[in-house]
Amino acid sequence: GDSVTQMEGPVTLSEEAFLTINCTYTATGYPSLFWYVQYPGEGLQLLLKATKADDKGSNKGFEATYRKETTSFHLEKGSVQVSDSAVYFCALDSGGGADGLTFGKGTHLIIQP
Amino acid sequence: NAGVTQTPKFRILKIGQSMTLQCAQDMNHNYMYWYRQDPGMGLKLIYYSVGAGITDKGEVPNGYNVSRSTTEDFPLRLELAAPSQTSVYFCASSSGQGLGNTEAFFGQGTRLTVV
Repeated sequence: GDSVTQMEGPVTLSEEAFLTINCTYTATGYPSLFWYVQYPGEGLQLLLKATKADDKGSNKGFEATYRKETTSFHLEKGSVQVSDSAVYFCALDSGGGADGLTFGKGTHLIIQP
Repeated sequence: NAGVTQTPKFRILKIGQSMTLQCAQDMNHNYMYWYRQDPGMGLKLIYYSVGAGITDKGEVPNGYNVSRSTTEDFPLRLELAAPSQTSVYFCASSSGQGLGNTEAFFGQGTRLTVV
């Protein structure tokens, strides 16, 4: 079945540091890939997505490139801020069907001033 | 614009009690979902619905029931609460076919503790 593997957290960085959160996946076919963010006390929000190989999703300074050859969708940001502290979830949808997304376990990011 | 509204935000249940988690959306979305989020784990799909009157099981449906009598509402029912149901529950909705094609909107979650 489909699965998503994310790097374990928490990840602690200083403000303005470079961020990478690794995400790899296993899926049949050609899935769409997503990053969701969950700020403290809130629900999940879509951060970015990519629907086909070599696509790059970007939003709020975050980027991720769909790499089919390595089955990866790593999240990057050049200079993190304290306000980026949150839990980040990588997810996939393998068939565009109605039965929801497959989520990774989430990576807790802590940015220190 | 309210989006997806879940109530209550917190609840403590005793083993064997019943309760209904409410979810309402005001975006006229056809697709609605219930997930649970356990510590250190991703979200697991409990049930989903593609429209009023239509529901289907997700990955972890045991111990839960749902109904979808209107487009707006998608309540989740726990009949006999067990400690294994201690979790954070999220409701979500989307307009298109599945969460892969259109953006999903999530509620703020319900934190449930069964003691």
